[in-house]
Amino acid sequence: AQSVAQPEDQVNVAEGNPLTVKCTYSVSGNPYLFWYVQYPNRGLQFLLKYITGDNLVKGSYGFEAEFNKSQTSFHLKKPSALVSDSALYFCAVRDEDNAGNMLTFGGGTRLMVKP
Amino acid sequence: NAGVTQTPKFRVLKTGQSMTLLCAQDMNHEYMYWYRQDPGMGLRLIHYSVGEGTTAKGEVPDGYNVSRLKKQNFLLGLESAAPSQTSVYFCASRQTSGRASTQYFGPGTRLTVL
Repeated sequence: AQSVAQPEDQVNVAEGNPLTVKCTYSVSGNPYLFWYVQYPNRGLQFLLKYITGDNLVKGSYGFEAEFNKSQTSFHLKKPSALVSDSALYFCAVRDEDNAGNMLTFGGGTRLMVKP
Repeated sequence: NAGVTQTPKFRVLKTGQSMTLLCAQDMNHEYMYWYRQDPGMGLRLIHYSVGEGTTAKGEVPDGYNVSRLKKQNFLLGLESAAPSQTSVYFCASRQTSGRASTQYFGPGTRLTVL
């Protein structure tokens, strides 16, 4: 079975400060990890993914995520937050051994960036 | 290239009514998915399809049916709508080029069942 946890319902950060949105996962095989962002009344947009290789993955809009196998985490980060980064962020995992190739999503974390 | 599109964008139904949500993709993707999004619960998979003419159940399939008669279209049907089906529904698609391939989402359909 595969699962994802996003322990924070909301993260508040001031504009210009670094931000971190946390994600931990559980899989039986090797994980494929994804981050998506959802702006109000919109669909989910792909930000970045980890497949293999470098633990630090760079994605769209200046976001990056760090894969940590020992801590089973894949936290999303950005060095300097913008007000326009305010949105709902979802972490998702697909187990390499998942026969159905289905993604499992976390419950989402709302990021609020204040001026 | 429109990506993944969904119709309608909004709909209000009365309990017991039926309706069909249409998802279309122009990326020639093999896999298509239907999710529902409810507050605090993330996205939950309703049904999915690994190719034209195939469908399979996801995490929360009860009360829904699907069809994939054409590769580019994936239909989600509610035969007898219930208030518990009030939700935002998202369609997604992806290529089969490995389990690492990315899912791309449509803009969503907001459904209210009274």
